[in-house]
Amino acid sequence: DAGVTQSPTHLIKTRGQHVTLRCSPISGHKSVSWYQQVLGQGPQFIFQYYEKEERGRGNFPDRFSARQFPNYSSELNVNALLLGDSALYLCASSLGPLGGMNTEAFFGQGTRLTVV
Amino acid sequence: GIQVEQSPPDLILQEGANSTLRCNFSDSVNNLQWFHQNPWGQLINLFYIPSGTKQNGRLSATTVATERYSLLYISSSQTTDSGVYFCAYSLFGNEKLTFGTGTRLTIIP
Repeated sequence: DAGVTQSPTHLIKTRGQHVTLRCSPISGHKSVSWYQQVLGQGPQFIFQYYEKEERGRGNFPDRFSARQFPNYSSELNVNALLLGDSALYLCASSLGPLGGMNTEAFFGQGTRLTVV
Repeated sequence: GIQVEQSPPDLILQEGANSTLRCNFSDSVNNLQWFHQNPWGQLINLFYIPSGTKQNGRLSATTVATERYSLLYISSSQTTDSGVYFCAYSLFGNEKLTFGTGTRLTIIP
């Protein structure tokens, strides 16, 4: 079975542009969450979606948005890119929403975004 | 929120050595996981261990929920074990993973 897949793997954008990152969860998993990891730090929570509904949002500006599709794949959108948005963006999938019983999260390989 | 502290922050060992990594929590947590982040950024699941002890090859982990800590043991280290090790938790009603500060492990041939 395929694991969590993310696309693209690398991306270079200019300040002010918009970016869309994509994530396909493990087959059968209904929850997808997004994390941002800047160099030298641990991943920081951005969003969680379960059954196509937003179940949690981290401390990120409104420039960040996401959605989950009927097939449980997800997109993360970032508008008006800033240099500080340069980071590794990680997607995780789990059977159910994190925080519930027996919900292990599995991560994709990440998308490395560079804003110049 | 619950504070998560990992120790040591950095560890340099010779190939073949054993190591113990620790994760301390300021309060009770659910759904504790250990991850290894390789040099390419991939987060690899090591253990899902809310409580008790598990073993997988050269790695084992123990979580003592009542004492608010978890330990990751690595035996007979190999150079491929190098990278950053994170513990992370989630809570009922707080649907996200919160990561610890990480331990950077370097294995020297």
